[in-house]
Parts: sequence; C-alpha cells; structure tokens
Amino acid sequence: KAGVTQTPRYLIKTRGQQVTLSCSPISGHRSVSWYQQTPGQGLQFLFEYFSETQRNKGNFPGRFSGRQFSNSRSEMNVSTLELGDSALYLCASSLWVMGEGINSPLHFGNGTRLTVT
Amino acid sequence: GIQVEQSPPDLILQEGANSTLRCNFSDSVNNLQWFHQNPWGQLINLFYIPSGTKQNGGLSATTVATERYSLLYISSSQTTDSGVYFCAVPNSGYALNFGKGTSLLVTP
Repeated sequence: KAGVTQTPRYLIKTRGQQVTLSCSPISGHRSVSWYQQTPGQGLQFLFEYFSETQRNKGNFPGRFSGRQFSNSRSEMNVSTLELGDSALYLCASSLWVMGEGINSPLHFGNGTRLTVT
Repeated sequence: GIQVEQSPPDLILQEGANSTLRCNFSDSVNNLQWFHQNPWGQLINLFYIPSGTKQNGGLSATTVATERYSLLYISSSQTTDSGVYFCAVPNSGYALNFGKGTSLLVTP
C-alpha cells in the first residue's frame, strides 16, 4: 500500500502570498489531519477531516483553512502568509473506527516544508 | 488540554547500548502513540499502545494507563535509531497532543 503522499515537498513564498498544500491519504483511510511543526512550538494540531467534514480545529487563526474531497484527499490553505508560518506541515491519515475520538494509529506523510521570506 | 512530558530531552548512546525513554501525561487517556522522526523529518508510527506491552524489533513499549505513563525501550541501539522520539495522546476530539520529544543520537 502506498503511504501518505504530500505535495509539494518544499515551498518558498513571500509574506502576504497564499499557499495550498495537498495530501493524499493511505487507500481506505477516511480521516485526514494536519499538523504544524516548528522548533519553538513543536507539533501542533491544525484540523481533522472525515467524510468531507471538519470535525476538529486547533487554535490557529482563520488564515489557516482546509478541506477534504470525496476521495478523501485533503488540501490546506494559508492566506496572507506571515514569517511565523514558516514550518514543516505534516498530514496524517488513519483508519478511523466508529466511535469517539482517535482510535487507530496515525500515519504521517513526509511533510511540506514551507519557508516564508 | 492534556499535558505530555517526555524525558530525557536529549540522549547520546554508543551503538549497541540500551535505554529507556519516558512519557508522562496529566490525565486519563484511552490510547497513546509513539513516533520516531528521522533526520529527514519523516514521522513514523512505532506503536499504538493503549495499555500493556508491545514489541517491534529492537523496540518495545509499555503503557500503564492507570499511572499515566508510558515507556519506550530501545535495545541494542543502532545508528539508524537516531532521531527524535515523540509520544502523543488524544486531546479533545480528533487531535493528538505531542510531547516535546527525546532527541537521540547513536554514535558508531
């Protein structure tokens, strides 16, 4: 089975621009979540999607948004980029089993490293 | 949210040595996951371990949910074990709370 695929691997953007990152989950996985990793804040949860619905959102400004398509692929968008948005953005998928909360292992992609100048 | 503390923050081992990493969490959880991030940034799921003990090659993990901690044992370490080890527990809803990690360097 192919793993979680994230594109692009690297991005360099200028302050004020916007960016879209893409994530294809493992086949059969319908839950997709996004995390931001920075040296100062560590790994922080952005949002989680299941069946095209956002079920959970982390404590990030409205400039960060996402969506999920009917084939479970997901995109996240960051508008009006700031220098502090420079980070490794990680997407994870899981085979969520009916019930509450996270109840199966998360599998991460290789990430997109975003640099804002 | 649930606080996750990992120790030690940094660790240097000589190849072949054993060690134990610890993860403490502040509230009851119904599962815990251990991850390894390699020097290229890839985050690999090592264990999904709500309780008890699991083994995977030279690694094993034990979670004692009632006492709010988990241990990751590294035996006969290899240079490829270098990287950062994270534990994570579910926060509200469908999010994971990650610890700050243990940075491991295994020297030849």
